[in-house]
Amino acid sequence: AQSVTQPDIHITVSEGASLELRCNYSYGATPYLFWYVQSPGQGLQLLLKYFSGDTLVQGIKGFEAEFKRSQSSFNLRKPSVHWSDAAEYFCAVALVGEKLTFGTGTRLTIIP
Amino acid sequence: DAGVIQSPRHEVTEMGQEVTLRCKPISGHNSLFWYRQTMMRGLELLIYFNNNVPIDDSGMPEDRFSAKMPNASFSTLKIQPSEPRDSAVYFCASSLGQGARTGELFFGEGSRLTVL
Repeated sequence: AQSVTQPDIHITVSEGASLELRCNYSYGATPYLFWYVQSPGQGLQLLLKYFSGDTLVQGIKGFEAEFKRSQSSFNLRKPSVHWSDAAEYFCAVALVGEKLTFGTGTRLTIIP
Repeated sequence: DAGVIQSPRHEVTEMGQEVTLRCKPISGHNSLFWYRQTMMRGLELLIYFNNNVPIDDSGMPEDRFSAKMPNASFSTLKIQPSEPRDSAVYFCASSLGQGARTGELFFGEGSRLTVL
């Protein structure tokens, strides 16, 4: 069955430290891949997306993600987190012409 | 620029009452999505319109839920009668294009529904 998995429900990181959020998918073909962020009380905002080409994708707010076909992964990274990065992060996938499927989300807490 | 506008932001109602949630998508966007978010089930796509036509309503929980898009600038999600298990945050999102090809959905701030 097609699925997207975010194995970490909650991650705590110190301000200024690096961050990596994991996302794995299980699809017959390589889907389109996305990361969204949801700040408290807000809707989701697109951070970055991967359709094809360069497997390292740059997004907004200093985030990047790397597509690894061999691992069926699309992990989100940031070299140095800021307190304002505290939010919930959703990985999402879709096959061509199909609807997005969201992962269950990873809640990021930043400690001073 | 105005984003996706949802109303009401908060709704508290009693079981059995009718609830209507409203959405104004971004001007020029031709796809509109209704999602429901709960702690237990995460984000669920309820229904998806393209050019005002419902394309996929397989996520609509049951006949108590209905959605309409009478024109390109307005959509409603109605629950009648409402039940406590319908308590959730309902998001409307719009995008330019069909399906996931563009990938960028613009979300409203959500309508938090509490059914007592």
